[in-house]
Amino acid sequence: SAVISQKPSRDICQRGTSLTIQCQVDSQVTMMFWYRQQPGQSLTLIATANQGSEATYESGFVIDKFPISRPNLTFSTLTVSNMSPEDSSIYLCSALGGQGSYGYTFGSGTRLTVV
Amino acid sequence: KQEVTQIPAALSVPEGENLVLNCSFTDSAIYNLQWFRQDPGKGLTSLLLIQSSQREQTSGRLNASLDKSSGRSTLYIAASQPGDSATYLCAVRTQGGSEKLVFGKGTKLTVNP
Repeated sequence: SAVISQKPSRDICQRGTSLTIQCQVDSQVTMMFWYRQQPGQSLTLIATANQGSEATYESGFVIDKFPISRPNLTFSTLTVSNMSPEDSSIYLCSALGGQGSYGYTFGSGTRLTVV
Repeated sequence: KQEVTQIPAALSVPEGENLVLNCSFTDSAIYNLQWFRQDPGKGLTSLLLIQSSQREQTSGRLNASLDKSSGRSTLYIAASQPGDSATYLCAVRTQGGSEKLVFGKGTKLTVNP
């Protein structure tokens, strides 16, 4: 299955600033996704990152707050914009597909703390 | 709308015990079901993937079963070890062309030495 490198692994940011998280997959994958995991909660899908076009956002998430890029089949970024303490979460990217894989692979996560 | 429930929410067992984690889902029209492990503050590690046509999958001390008609899956861990301590998440991909995963809230497992 695909291997995902996600960075940064953690960051502490000032409110009002933005952070960009990067995910690099070691093989071409069909789909890429971004999730948020708030403290003590399960994963919530933010959006599907579409290659070469605008991401598809889930209810409650908007492009202005969480702009996403996917310039090719192996790379995607998520930006958390104009951060507030409520954005403190773990952010995870995920990929579907890749060689011989029918399941999902996840990155190691980015632990974001907004102060 | 697919909903996934995991019971129990937390489980504490002594080392060496065999244990079962439960997952149930409301819509039986699934494409596959995947079990993940998450260590504190970390990403998800895929443990087992069961396609809708399969009844079970095994990897080492782990065995996952699927009963699609009743909307249930179990993860069996044999001879538990302290290193198995983590949160175990069940996720379902529903049929119909959606690539989205629906997650349960997880079972937090603690294996005491």
